[in-house]
Amino acid sequence: QVQLQQSGPGLVKPSQTLSLTCAISGDSVSSDRGGWNWIRQSPSRGLEWLGRTYFRSRWHTDYAVSVESRITINPDTSKNQFSLQLNSVTPEDTAVYYCTRGSSMDVWGQGTTVTVSS
Amino acid sequence: EMVLTQSPATLSLSPGERATLSCRSSQSVTGNYLSWYQQKPGQAPRVLIYGASTRATGIPARFSGSGSGTDFTLTISSLQPEDFAVYYCQQYYNLPLTFGGGTKVEIK
Repeated sequence: QVQLQQSGPGLVKPSQTLSLTCAISGDSVSSDRGGWNWIRQSPSRGLEWLGRTYFRSRWHTDYAVSVESRITINPDTSKNQFSLQLNSVTPEDTAVYYCTRGSSMDVWGQGTTVTVSS
Repeated sequence: EMVLTQSPATLSLSPGERATLSCRSSQSVTGNYLSWYQQKPGQAPRVLIYGASTRATGIPARFSGSGSGTDFTLTISSLQPEDFAVYYCQQYYNLPLTFGGGTKVEIK
């Protein structure tokens, strides 16, 4: 059974960097099942795809235009996990963040509520 | 960006009734790369349907998906108490991956 376990702080100060990690069990970050995503959910934006990483002969990343200047998603094959970094956060980045597997998102992490506040 | 519009926003029904949820796309979802999710309060969404009509593992047969092109439907044939939740559609035909705004199915 594939599981995703998220970790990271729930409170980030404005202008700082939001960092989350998603640890994978039961699958490999290097597998070809469509990639590994970060999604967020807020009352104002609904469910919003932020980006993904996937391996097809080499590593690829794709990002949403709305965050592409501030976001980095990195795989870590040694720990079988992937991470999200979102720089220069504002209160508008307050949301529940999820990691998911595949384009049709058959596995979800438990969610991390991130609040951006001083 | 492919915009998905779900209707109605809220559906008020009684247990045992049939629920019909709509998802309309601003562009054709070629290949029927569309999924449906159920979300309950405090939980992550879970996939019900992918490929527009294929039930995910462990999903009861009362859930069915249909449609093609720009118009898709999720049907719950006979609502059970545990089915009252919010439902989202999502396309994975092109980037960015996008979700609809959701339909809340509530107890009448």
